[in-house]
Amino acid sequence: AQSVTQLGSHVSVSEGALVLLRCNYSSSVPPYLFWYVQYPNQGLQLLLKYTTGATLVKGINGFEAEFKKSETSFHLTKPSAHMSDAAEYFCALMDSNYQLIWGAGTKLIIKP
Amino acid sequence: ETGVTQTPRHLVMGMTNKKSLKCEQHLGHNAMYWYKQSAKKPLELMFVYNFKEQTENNSVPSRFSPECPNSSHLFLHLHTLQPEDSALYLCASSQDQMNTEAFFGQGTRLTVV
Repeated sequence: AQSVTQLGSHVSVSEGALVLLRCNYSSSVPPYLFWYVQYPNQGLQLLLKYTTGATLVKGINGFEAEFKKSETSFHLTKPSAHMSDAAEYFCALMDSNYQLIWGAGTKLIIKP
Repeated sequence: ETGVTQTPRHLVMGMTNKKSLKCEQHLGHNAMYWYKQSAKKPLELMFVYNFKEQTENNSVPSRFSPECPNSSHLFLHLHTLQPEDSALYLCASSQDQMNTEAFFGQGTRLTVV
């Protein structure tokens, strides 16, 4: 069965520090992987996605993620956190029926 | 502006009430979705419509009834809900069911009392 695990329901970093949000997946077929962001009182917005090709994917707002098949990971990073990055981040995997399987989410807290 | 609009944004209803949630998309998409978002749980896909045909019903109780009159509109009819149905209900759309990018509305925060 396919699944997505996000390590850490809350991650706290200082403004200007590196952001690292972890996502591991389980899939028997080559995965399509996604990161979505949800700002307070908003719907979800696509940050970036990996389908095929280059394993380092760049998204909006300076975020990027690297697909590592050997580690079954798709961690999200940003070199320097801004206060505006405070939000909840969701990793997702598209299954063979084209449905998204979601992680439980990670709340990113930015300390001044 | 995401192109997907949900109304109302907030709804409080009693367990014996009947209400409806509305979703409208102006993106020309052919697939629309209802999700349930509860605290500390992954998003739960409830229903999928592709070209106005319901293609998925993920074991959702019959007290939730979807309706898709055209590709731009999606409704979720609610009746005799339970307190555990309180959650954020999100509507999303994509070009079609196989498309890899979904666009979400802001959600309806539902409280069942």
